[in-house]
Amino acid sequence: NAGVTQTPKFQVLKTGQSMTLQCAQDMNHNSMYWYRQDPGMGLRLIYYSASEGTTDKGEVPNGYNVSRLNKREFSLRLESAAPSQTSVYFCASNPNRRLGSNQPQHFGDGTRLSIL
Amino acid sequence: GENVEQHPSTLSVQEGDSAVIKCTYSDSASNYFPWYKQELGKRPQLIIDIRSNVGEKKDQRIAVTLNKTAKHFSLHITETQPEDSAVYFCAASGLGFGNEKLTFGTGTRLTIIP
Repeated sequence: NAGVTQTPKFQVLKTGQSMTLQCAQDMNHNSMYWYRQDPGMGLRLIYYSASEGTTDKGEVPNGYNVSRLNKREFSLRLESAAPSQTSVYFCASNPNRRLGSNQPQHFGDGTRLSIL
Repeated sequence: GENVEQHPSTLSVQEGDSAVIKCTYSDSASNYFPWYKQELGKRPQLIIDIRSNVGEKKDQRIAVTLNKTAKHFSLHITETQPEDSAVYFCAASGLGFGNEKLTFGTGTRLTIIP
């Protein structure tokens, strides 16, 4: 099993360009998450999808959109990239199969995004 | 929403000594507290977690303690080794479907001095 796979690994954009970060998991997990990681600020939740067909905003959703394409895939889109969106983006998933069953999140390797 | 504070932000210890990292949380409904280790340029990886019905959990050289009354939890690493050098993050989440969002602390950079 590959676990959580993110593409691309690196990307440089110009201000105003758009792009989609891809995430796929092969663990049959219900919930998927997008985080951004900036120096000294830990990981902050952008959007999450508790189950296929649902998405919700996290702590820092402005400037982003998401699509839960199917159970495996959860994409993050930047419609008009800004320098403040320069960051490392991590996708994660967890089983979330029943009420109260807190399970660890599994992370992908990250996408390093620079906006010039 | 939940707020997680983590201290210290940096920690240096001699190889073989113990390291302790502390976190506090604000939401009394939180009941799951994982710890992640992140090496430079790598993904965060779970090293240990604890649920609110347990006060302490150990896994070899790593232990986590939880005080729900005081709303704080700590990571203890004994007999530290050079490979323990990394950034450690604590996190907290609530209960139930769609509510397992993790709120992370800001991280502790642990350096083990040989």
